[in-house]
Amino acid sequence: DTGVSQNPRHKITKRGQNVTFRCDPISEHNRLYWYRQTLGQGPEFLTYFQNEAQLEKSRLLSDRFSAERPKGSFSTLEIQRTEQGDSAMYLCASSFQTGPSSYNEQFFGPGTRLTVL
Amino acid sequence: KNQVEQSPQSLIILEGKNCTLQCNYTVSPFSNLRWYKQDTGRGPVSLTIMTFSENTKSNGRYTATLDADTKQSSLHITASQLSDSASYICVVSARGDDKIIFGKGTRLHILP
Repeated sequence: DTGVSQNPRHKITKRGQNVTFRCDPISEHNRLYWYRQTLGQGPEFLTYFQNEAQLEKSRLLSDRFSAERPKGSFSTLEIQRTEQGDSAMYLCASSFQTGPSSYNEQFFGPGTRLTVL
Repeated sequence: KNQVEQSPQSLIILEGKNCTLQCNYTVSPFSNLRWYKQDTGRGPVSLTIMTFSENTKSNGRYTATLDADTKQSSLHITASQLSDSASYICVVSARGDDKIIFGKGTRLHILP
């Protein structure tokens, strides 16, 4: 399967614990995006990378959240001291950006469903 | 503020019937508009993309329209099937902006 993959698919944790999610984008894609989606809502932008550089972070990304893409390939999203409000689907998407145009399609992974008890 | 509004919030129709979903946006300057299908527990999958100069595009039983003057789009589904049950999300990109703006989606239920 050459699509975007995410692991784990599901994560249940207790409040206050740290969790880390992984995203493996489509191999030739230079852009990688993280989104959060709660029930009945569309995805909300969290952050994105161009190769290994993190270019933008949303206000939604509090200081408990950190994302990395150390070698410009896979990415990790860590949430420290989880809260019940962090319960959501965390989606990763990748695209191949050839220029300033926003035409390039983002391909989404299946998501990681986080439940904080 | 760039926003994407979708209606209805949810829709229930019988298998075999047609339906139309609506999307209004205030994104400017406009670059393109996509409709995504998102099955429960899965990531969104692109159905169609339209730029400013396109006013209709089809993908099988899905037909999207775009009126860039009124900033409205619709997604028409013909002869619905049970597998069409999903959320349909309208996504708009602004020219020169790397981010895309998502609507909240329309939850479509097809009943046998």
